[in-house]
Amino acid sequence: DSGVTQTPKHLITATGQRVTLRCSPRSGDLSVYWYQQSLDQGLQFLIQYYNGEERAKGNILERFSAQQFPDLHSELNLSSLELGDSALYFCASSVLRGGYTFGSGTRLTVV
Amino acid sequence: GENVEQHPSTLSVQEGDSAVIKCTYSDSASNYFPWYKQELGKGPQLIIDIRSNVGEKKDQRIAVTLNKTAKHFSLHITETQPEDSAVYFCAASDEAGTALIFGKGTTLSVSS
Repeated sequence: DSGVTQTPKHLITATGQRVTLRCSPRSGDLSVYWYQQSLDQGLQFLIQYYNGEERAKGNILERFSAQQFPDLHSELNLSSLELGDSALYFCASSVLRGGYTFGSGTRLTVV
Repeated sequence: GENVEQHPSTLSVQEGDSAVIKCTYSDSASNYFPWYKQELGKGPQLIIDIRSNVGEKKDQRIAVTLNKTAKHFSLHITETQPEDSAVYFCAASDEAGTALIFGKGTTLSVSS
C-alpha cells in the first residue's frame, strides 16, 4: 500500500456521461497530481493542486476539471465522456519538492 | 515546456545481464530526474532519483547517471532478475514544485 488511495478501481460508463474519480493523498503530502495513462501516450500530466489551490495545468481537456478539498483529498471530474477517454487515471501526491507516490489508479472504460 | 524522450521502448535481456535505458530532456532548468517502475496492474513506483548537483547515484543493483551538459540521464540495472521485468519510466522537473514530465516508458523483459 503506497498510502495514496484512489477510488473506484474500475469504472465502466457510457459515452456522454459524467464520472468523478477520488484521490486521498499520503498523510502529510500537500501536493496532488492527476495523470492519464493510455497505451500510446504514456503518463500524461493533467493537473496539479497544492494545499487546495490549482498550481499547474497540463494537457487537461475543458471537459475535465478537478479540485482539492480542505482535507486535501482531490476529485477529478470527467464529463461528456468519449470513447477516447478510456484510460488509466492516476493520482500522485508529494511534499512540494521530491518524488511522487502514486496510487493504484482508476481504470475508466467508456462504452 | 519540458519534453522527455526515452529509449528504447522495449528491451529484452537474459537473466544476469545488464540493462540500460536512456532519456533526454529539453528544459535546461530541469534539475530533478526520478525513475519509476510500473508492474502490471499497479501504479508507478519510485525506484531511484538524482538531482542536478550529482552526476551518479547507486542503490544496490540500480544506478542512474546524469549529464547536464548533454541533457541526458540513464538508468543502469546490473545482474538483472526476472522480477525486474516491468515498464520503466524516466521523468524530469525543475523541482520548484512543478509537475513531472514523463518519458513514454521502456518495457523490460528479463528471461531466465
